Amino acid sequence: GQNIDQPTEMTATEGAIVQINCTYQTSGFNGLFWYQQHAGEAPTFLSYNVLDGLEEKGRFSSFLSRSKGYSYLLLKELQMKDSASYLCAGMDSNYQLIWGAGTKLIIKP
Amino acid sequence: NAGVTQTPKFRVLKTGQSMTLLCAQDMNHEYMYWYRQDPGMGLRLIHYSVGEGTTAKGEVPDGYNVSRLKKQNFLLGLESAAPSQTSVYFCASRAGGPADTQYFGPGTRLTVL
Repeated sequence: GQNIDQPTEMTATEGAIVQINCTYQTSGFNGLFWYQQHAGEAPTFLSYNVLDGLEEKGRFSSFLSRSKGYSYLLLKELQMKDSASYLCAGMDSNYQLIWGAGTKLIIKP
Repeated sequence: NAGVTQTPKFRVLKTGQSMTLLCAQDMNHEYMYWYRQDPGMGLRLIHYSVGEGTTAKGEVPDGYNVSRLKKQNFLLGLESAAPSQTSVYFCASRAGGPADTQYFGPGTRLTVL
């Protein structure tokens, strides 16, 4: 079966660093996406990894290990506006996204 | 560009009523998707389309129908609404390459009583 696992909720402090992990199992693999979703809003794209390694985009970085079926999203210099849910999604052999339930990130001052 | 728009934003239905959700995109994207999002669950694909005039079933298609008569529009219909269809519905579109981002509409919050 296809499955995406990520923690339900995480708490971090403003200015700190947080790592959100995701393990995936998909039928075939065509990449791993991370999206951000603020409460009551639509998901918005953060990153895409298809090769092993780290992709950096400003304060956000995403890592992929295909052999381990593992990815993480790293958020640095946390700001209050980073309070949101972070969705991990794996793309299967049919180019469909399989979505995790999301990790709710709470930022405390 | 408006991106992806959805109509309506909110709707309350009684069991057995029907309705159509409209999704429109102005990015000339080939692929369009309808998802539902329920608390504690990931986005689940209802139906999708790989181009004008085509539709295909996703993970949870039962109770829904779709049409893509024009490239820019993707309609989701509920013929006889049930309380289990209470959810937030998102439409998304993407250009065509596998790495292309899916762009989401603002969502429709549907309650079926």
